[in-house]
Amino acid sequence: GQQLNQSPQSMFIQEGEDVSMNCTSSSIFNTWLWYKQDPGEGPVLLIALYKAGELTSNGRLTAQFGITRKDSFLNISASIPSDVGIYFCAGQLLGNQFYFGTGTSLTVIP
Amino acid sequence: GAVVSQHPSRVICKSGTSVKIECRSLDFQATTMFWYRQFPKQSLMLMATSNEGSKATYEQGVEKDKFLINHASLTLSTLTVTSAHPEDSSFYICSAMPPRTGNEQFFGPGTRLTVL
Repeated sequence: GQQLNQSPQSMFIQEGEDVSMNCTSSSIFNTWLWYKQDPGEGPVLLIALYKAGELTSNGRLTAQFGITRKDSFLNISASIPSDVGIYFCAGQLLGNQFYFGTGTSLTVIP
Repeated sequence: GAVVSQHPSRVICKSGTSVKIECRSLDFQATTMFWYRQFPKQSLMLMATSNEGSKATYEQGVEKDKFLINHASLTLSTLTVTSAHPEDSSFYICSAMPPRTGNEQFFGPGTRLTVL
């Protein structure tokens, strides 16, 4: 399957700090989605991006669809303890299949 | 809206037995559902695309005779792990795409399979 490279692999930050993570691929994607997964649960959709260059916010979260359509980033502002979890990007090629990034594990220190 | 359920949430079985996992879209109809597999501390790997009324499309390297998928209705897809072995132990997650929501996938809570 497709490989999406996500970085950083893990982050340890102080509460209140901003967070930035990104996803890159050698393939061009039509859609980018960002998910958060808590242990033992299914991923929960955070933000969906449909157009190259699109910048979308959802509360403290902001994500952008890269101009080349091969990358995307997610920012979290003013982190809080409940932001802890694993964040995944997912890219969609032609058709409906989505492929997931390698994940970013976020730890927020109170 | 856009709620996806899975059953069972956890299953423990003996090696050689078959296990069926159900994925249901509770408040919408889904012509397409997806099955993923996730090992501890790893990403989700797409196994197959389940299409209502037709055969599933499997990703390269996924044994279709091992992982049987049946999408018998617009709200139900099942994954059967046949003759399970310890290496099949994993977290299996399904997802579905509600109509008219762009390309957003909504995930079930996952099924933890442990094969002894």
